[in-house]
Amino acid sequence: DVKVTQSSRYLVKRTGEKVFLECVQDMDHENMFWYRQDPGLGLRLIYFSYDVKMKEKGDIPEGYSVSREKKERFSLILESASTNQTSMYLCASSETGTGRRNEQFFGPGTRLTVL
Amino acid sequence: KQEVTQIPAALSVPEGENLVLNCSFTDSAIYNLQWFRQDPGKGLTSLLLIQSSQREQTSGRLNASLDKSSGRSTLYIAASQPGDSATYLCAVKGYSTLTFGKGTMLLVSP
Repeated sequence: DVKVTQSSRYLVKRTGEKVFLECVQDMDHENMFWYRQDPGLGLRLIYFSYDVKMKEKGDIPEGYSVSREKKERFSLILESASTNQTSMYLCASSETGTGRRNEQFFGPGTRLTVL
Repeated sequence: KQEVTQIPAALSVPEGENLVLNCSFTDSAIYNLQWFRQDPGKGLTSLLLIQSSQREQTSGRLNASLDKSSGRSTLYIAASQPGDSATYLCAVKGYSTLTFGKGTMLLVSP
C-alpha cells in the first residue's frame, strides 16, 4: 500500500512565524502535490513537483514556497504565516504515466492554525 | 478553466438504500476522473479511478460511470451502510493536475 505521511496532524503558529510542513511518500512516486482545503472553497492546489528540485505553481501559490531535495520528501514553507493561511493542508503523490498510475494518494492532512 | 460541480451538496438516507452521487465538469478534455472519500478531519481515500477511455469502474458496492462527452460522472453506492457516511469528492485530471468538486456530504442513518 502507498503511504503518504505528514509531519504533524495539528499545528498552531503565530503570525509572522516561518512554518514548515513536511510530506514523505514511500512508493518512489515522481509527482507530489500540496493542497489546502477550506470550507466552501474545496481543495485548491498550491504547488506541485514532478521531479527532484522541480516545482510548478498551482492555483494559489502566493505566500507559499516549496522544496524537493529528495524524491520522497516534499516540503511546504510559509515564509511569514498569516491568519488567512489557517487551513487544512493535504499532501498527495502519484506516479508518472497513464491509466491507474495517475491515481493520487493523500496523506492524513495537517490542520494549521495561525494566531 | 475546468469547473467541477457535485450535486447534491448533502444527502441523508436510511441504511440499505441504493444511492447515486453526481459529478459534472465543464471541459471534456480529461485524462481520467477519480472519486475519493473523506472522513471528518482526515485525508482523502481514493475509491475509484476511471480512465477517459472507460465507461465505468466497479469496486465492491461502488460503481462509477463516466460520460466524457456530456461531462458527467456518477457514483452508485449499493445497499448503503452507516459506515458509508462521509464526504465524497470527484476530481478530474487535465494535462497535469486534478480539479476537485466541493463534495457531497453523505449521512446514512441506521
